[in-house]
This record gives sequence, structure tokens and C-alpha cells, in this order.
Amino acid sequence: DAGVIQSPRHEVTEMGQEVTLRCKPISGHNSLFWYRQTMMRGLELLIYFNNNVPIDDSGMPEDRFSAKMPNASFSTLKIQPSEPRDSAVYFCASSLIGRTNTGELFFGEGSRLTVL
Amino acid sequence: GENVEQHPSTLSVQEGDSAVIKCTYSDSASNYFPWYKQELGKGPQLIIDIRSNVGEKKDQRIAVTLNKTAKHFSLHITETQPEDSAVYFCAARRAGGTSYGKLTFGQGTILTVHP
Repeated sequence: DAGVIQSPRHEVTEMGQEVTLRCKPISGHNSLFWYRQTMMRGLELLIYFNNNVPIDDSGMPEDRFSAKMPNASFSTLKIQPSEPRDSAVYFCASSLIGRTNTGELFFGEGSRLTVL
Repeated sequence: GENVEQHPSTLSVQEGDSAVIKCTYSDSASNYFPWYKQELGKGPQLIIDIRSNVGEKKDQRIAVTLNKTAKHFSLHITETQPEDSAVYFCAARRAGGTSYGKLTFGQGTILTVHP
């Protein structure tokens, strides 16, 4: 398996522009997570989906952030309009959560976003 | 919600020494405690985990201990090697409800192993 695939790996944009980050989870996994990593705040959970349905979006900073999972093999995280304080590494992770497994998170390699 | 505190934030050891990282959690309903290792430019990767019905678990040079009463758990790495240098994160997850599946991470520990 190729693992969790994220794109783009690096994105540099200007304040006010729209940013779309993409994620392909591991085939067969039923849960998908978006995390943001910064030096100041560490790893923060933004939102997670189970069976393509958003379960907890309490970590989404504000209305500028939105996430979708139209099917089991694809998710997007969109920031519109972007601001310099959104600069961070955004990780997507997937997991198979059920009664007989631990629900180990498998992370992608991240998308490093810089907003100028 | 759950709050996980991790210490120390940085740890420097000589090759061959042991390293210990400690975490405390706040939610007594948490029952799953994984540890992740993050190398430069990569996503975190699970290295060991423990459930609340177990007090200790070992896998070669790494071990994790859990004290449910005190709500703390620790990662122990013995005979450290330079390739152990990375950022280590502890995490906690509660058993059920709408938070099921949601991991709360500690702030991370930067471990440096000097040859």
C-alpha cells in the first residue's frame, strides 16, 4: 500500500488567496483526520470523519476553514481566505477504527503551507 | 476535553544511555495511549501503544508504562542510538462516545542522541 498521500507537499501563497489541501487515505480505512502542526501549538486536531461523515469539527479554527470527504478515497481541507497565521504543516491521517483493532493512525508526509 | 502534558520538551543523551519521556492526561475515561515518532520532514509514526488494562508493554529497546491511578504514562528507550533522534509524541484517546477515534497529543519531546 502507498500509505496516506497528501498534496501538495509545499504551498506558498499570498494572504487572501484560497488554499486547497488534498488527501488520499489508505484503502479500507474508515476514518480520516486533519491535523495542523506548529511550533507553538503542537499537533492540533482540526476535524475528523468516520465513514465519510464529519464527526468532530470542534478544532476547525474559524469559518475560513472547511473540509469535505466526498468519498472514501478523497478529502480536502480548504482555507479561504488564507492568512499568515495559517502557516503550518497540515497532516492528514487515516485509520481503521473498530471493536477489534486499536485504530492506529497512519499519517501522510504533510503539506507545508506558507502564507505571505 | 482531554488534556495531555508531556515532559521534557527537549532531551539530550549520549549513545547507549537510556531516555525517559513522561506524559500525564486529564480524562479518566481515556483507555488507549500510543507513542509516535516523527522524523524530520515526515509524518508521525506509531512506535508502541498501551491499553488501560495493561501496566507495561515492551518491544525490544522501547517500553511504555502506565499508571492509571496517577493518570500518567512514560516511554522508556534503552541503549539509545543516533537513529533514535527524533520528536516523540504521546497521545491519549477515550473509550467511546462521539470522541471515539480522536487522539489528543502531547506537545512533543525533541530527543537528540549524541554519538
